[in-house]
Amino acid sequence: GNSVTQMEGPVTLSEEAFLTINCTYTATGYPSLFWYVQYPGEGLQLLLKATKADDKGSNKGFEATYRKETTSFHLEKGSVQVSDSAVYFCARQGGSEKLVFGKGTKLTVNP
Amino acid sequence: SQTIHQWPATLVQPVGSPLSLECTVEGTSNPNLYWYRQAAGRGLQLLFYSVGIGQISSEVPQNLSASRPQDRQFILSSKKLLLSDSGFYLCALEGARDTEAFFGQGTRLTVV
Repeated sequence: GNSVTQMEGPVTLSEEAFLTINCTYTATGYPSLFWYVQYPGEGLQLLLKATKADDKGSNKGFEATYRKETTSFHLEKGSVQVSDSAVYFCARQGGSEKLVFGKGTKLTVNP
Repeated sequence: SQTIHQWPATLVQPVGSPLSLECTVEGTSNPNLYWYRQAAGRGLQLLFYSVGIGQISSEVPQNLSASRPQDRQFILSSKKLLLSDSGFYLCALEGARDTEAFFGQGTRLTVV
C-alpha cells in the first residue's frame, strides 16, 4: 500500500544548526507531497508542498525537493531557530488514495 | 475558502462514559474527511476516513466508531470510554489534488 517513511526523532539541535529530516514515499501513482508542522497543543498546519517531480517547496527558510528518482522529499533548513521547535510530518496525497502521513519527527532547538 | 471546525477543544471524561466529538466543514462539498488520534509523544494514527455520507472506513479495530450523517459533518463516538482512549484527536479535510489538507484545532481528551 501507500506509505510515507519519515526519520524518527527526536532531533535536538543548537540554534543556527543545519536541519535535515528525511522522508521517503512509496511510488504509487503521482502523489503530491507535503510537510506539515505542529506546534505544541495545536493542530497541523501546512509548511510547504510540491506537486510534481523536481518541484521545490519552500517556506520560512525550510525547503524540500520532490525527487522522483529517489522517491524522497527531505526537509532542510540552513539555520534553525528556537521557534522552529515543533513536530514535523511528511505526507503524500493523490487521486483516490488516502491522505497518508509519516510518524512525525519532534524537533527541539536549544538556544 | 475551506474551513474546518472541531469541538470541544478539551474534554475530561470518566471511564465508561460515552463520547461524541464533532467536526464540521465549510466551503466545500463532498469532501474526504479523516479522524486521527495522536497519543502523547507519538505520531498520527489514522482512525477513520470517509468519502461521503454514510461511508466510513475503519483503519484500526478499537473502541471507537465514526459516522457521517451529513456531507459536511463527521462524528467520532464511543459508547464506553477506556483509559487508553486518552489522546489528542484531530479531524482533517482532504484538499483537492495538489492542495493541502486542513486540520481542526484538535480535541484533547483525558479519560480518568
